Amino acid sequence: QKEVEQNSGPLSVPEGAIASLNCTYSDRGSQSFFWYRQYSGKSPELIMSIYSNGDKEDGRFTAQLNKASQYVSLLIRDSQPSDSATYLCAVRNSGSARQLTFGSGTQLTVLP
Amino acid sequence: NAGVTQTPKFQVLKTGQSMTLQCAQDMNHNSMYWYRQDPGMGLRLIYYSASEGTTDKGEVPNGYNVSRLNKREFSLRLESAAPSQTSVYFCASVDSNQPQHFGDGTRLSIL
Repeated sequence: QKEVEQNSGPLSVPEGAIASLNCTYSDRGSQSFFWYRQYSGKSPELIMSIYSNGDKEDGRFTAQLNKASQYVSLLIRDSQPSDSATYLCAVRNSGSARQLTFGSGTQLTVLP
Repeated sequence: NAGVTQTPKFQVLKTGQSMTLQCAQDMNHNSMYWYRQDPGMGLRLIYYSASEGTTDKGEVPNGYNVSRLNKREFSLRLESAAPSQTSVYFCASVDSNQPQHFGDGTRLSIL
């Protein structure tokens, strides 16, 4: 069973702080990693994808990947109340038809 | 550009009733997926179709069937609904190594 684990929430940070979300995965052959944001009652929307070791920055978001440690993280700088949502880590499994395995999600609340 | 369209958006069924959830994508994607999401949980894969004409079971296929009608459409059928199938159902599609695109979901309650 290929697993994706996320740090349990909920996570609360003050406005303007850095929010750090973490994810580990079990399939060493995985090559593609995604962070989705899901607002309550809405569908997941992609915010970051990362395929190589290291950091990838997009605006206030930075994804970090360490394949040796099987670890993916998402940093949100200058957190805003509008960032309050559930963040889902997803890993594309090796040798499959582009299937994704999702973590259970971390609920983030940014306090004004 | 509509992306991935799911119908219906909401549905209430009685135990034992059957229904089909519809999904259509207009992005010419080869692969399509059905997930369910229960409170406090991530998305679990029910069935997927890697390409037109093929379907395969995912993590939680019991109680469901699927049909890949053509490249655009992938339907999910509940033959005899059970309360345990109360959930939010999402359809997604993808091509190549791009991220999956999700529909808005179908909220299904089974009494």
